[in-house]
Amino acid sequence: DTGVSQDPRHKITKRGQNVTFRCDPISEHNRLYWYRQTLGQGPEFLTYFQNEAQLEKSRLLSDRFSAERPKGSFSTLEIQRTEQGDSAMYLCASTEYTDTQYFGPGTRLTVL
Amino acid sequence: QKEVEQNSGPLSVPEGAIASLNCTYSDRGSQSFFWYRQYSGKSPELIMSIYSNGDKEDGRFTAQLNKASQYVSLLIRDSQPSDSATYLCAVNVVNSGYALNFGKGTSLLVTP
Repeated sequence: DTGVSQDPRHKITKRGQNVTFRCDPISEHNRLYWYRQTLGQGPEFLTYFQNEAQLEKSRLLSDRFSAERPKGSFSTLEIQRTEQGDSAMYLCASTEYTDTQYFGPGTRLTVL
Repeated sequence: QKEVEQNSGPLSVPEGAIASLNCTYSDRGSQSFFWYRQYSGKSPELIMSIYSNGDKEDGRFTAQLNKASQYVSLLIRDSQPSDSATYLCAVNVVNSGYALNFGKGTSLLVTP
């Protein structure tokens, strides 16, 4: 296993469209996290899963955002009715039973 | 929102010198501290974790933690041009399933 993978790596969309990103964590990792990073800022926590349960959501995760991890393996993050302010790098991280998180390569979203 | 503060830099050091990166945090309950390196356009890469007061060394990197002063630092010895990147300090969010709170990062430039 080579680490956390994310797809797509880049996404350009028009304002108002829906987009979905996928994250495949390291295979034995039961915790999965989503972060968002804008230029000049550190990553900001969005939500996390332990197995298939979504245990916490940041106030940054508006109603237009939804995340799932249906079988406790891969996860998806969907943004509905995208806005220009959603343009960012969306990062996925995973960990097993520790707090050391390993990040995937990220999905860079550009909303025109 | 608990804060993690870093000097944004850029911090410029000559090749072979020691680079010193600093971070302060506001939540006294935090127990886990991390340094990540991020190259431009890439995702964060874990350098070190530290949990106890004192120093922790790993190769050219030394992390220092002082919980009483709420201060974490990273020393990079024998700095190389390949060390030029943004260094992110991250602190666990108390009672939040190991979610991390990141600083904005310090940009390091190592000049030949």
